[in-house]
Amino acid sequence: EPEVTQTPSHQVTQMGQEVILRCVPISNHLYFYWYRQILGQKVEFLVSFYNNEISEKSEIFDDQFSVERPDGSNFTLKIRSTKLEDSAMYFCASSEGGADYNSPLHFGNGTRLTVT
Amino acid sequence: AQKITQTQPGMFVQEKEAVTLDCTYDTSDQSYGLFWYKQPSSGEMIFLIYQGSYDEQNATEGRYSLNFQKARKSANLVISASQLGDSAMYFCAMIPRYQGQFYFGTGTSLTVIP
Repeated sequence: EPEVTQTPSHQVTQMGQEVILRCVPISNHLYFYWYRQILGQKVEFLVSFYNNEISEKSEIFDDQFSVERPDGSNFTLKIRSTKLEDSAMYFCASSEGGADYNSPLHFGNGTRLTVT
Repeated sequence: AQKITQTQPGMFVQEKEAVTLDCTYDTSDQSYGLFWYKQPSSGEMIFLIYQGSYDEQNATEGRYSLNFQKARKSANLVISASQLGDSAMYFCAMIPRYQGQFYFGTGTSLTVIP
């Protein structure tokens, strides 16, 4: 069964550094998402992406964050100047239909980001 | 504003018994989808079951069923014949039609006791 893949599985970085989290969504999916989950807490929406542009973003997704689809398969989340509070599990997800409300999100296994 | 409420932070169930995990939602949209996800201790998010707002029958997927009561805006997950491997965090989620994001509840931690 096709799956969303994320790399790396764990990233440790120093405060103030930039990190890029990588994702390969399911190939026939058109809608891509980043969510994050601080340990043991709620799954928080960051951004959705469709047709090579951001379709929706949350208040968390400020100028520190950016997303890109550099080629036909990868979808990246860049976090500039990381802060301690950015430490979380970051999930990439994709769906076939997006705004078609019967398409489930398919999640990757996540990247655990630790900022020291 | 869209909101998902899961009022049970933790639940315990005896192996082979059934358990109901509660979820209520608040939306002004008429069209929306409801989903349940399982998150084991390993951290991945696993899609379990889907219910559309216009579906008249409750969704079922194996041991999972969704008790959908539209007028009460509730979408409870029922797990029958619980197994030890069902111990995990369970999240209810909703996507209103024509919106770009899924909204998640705070989750319920289920522990299956042998």
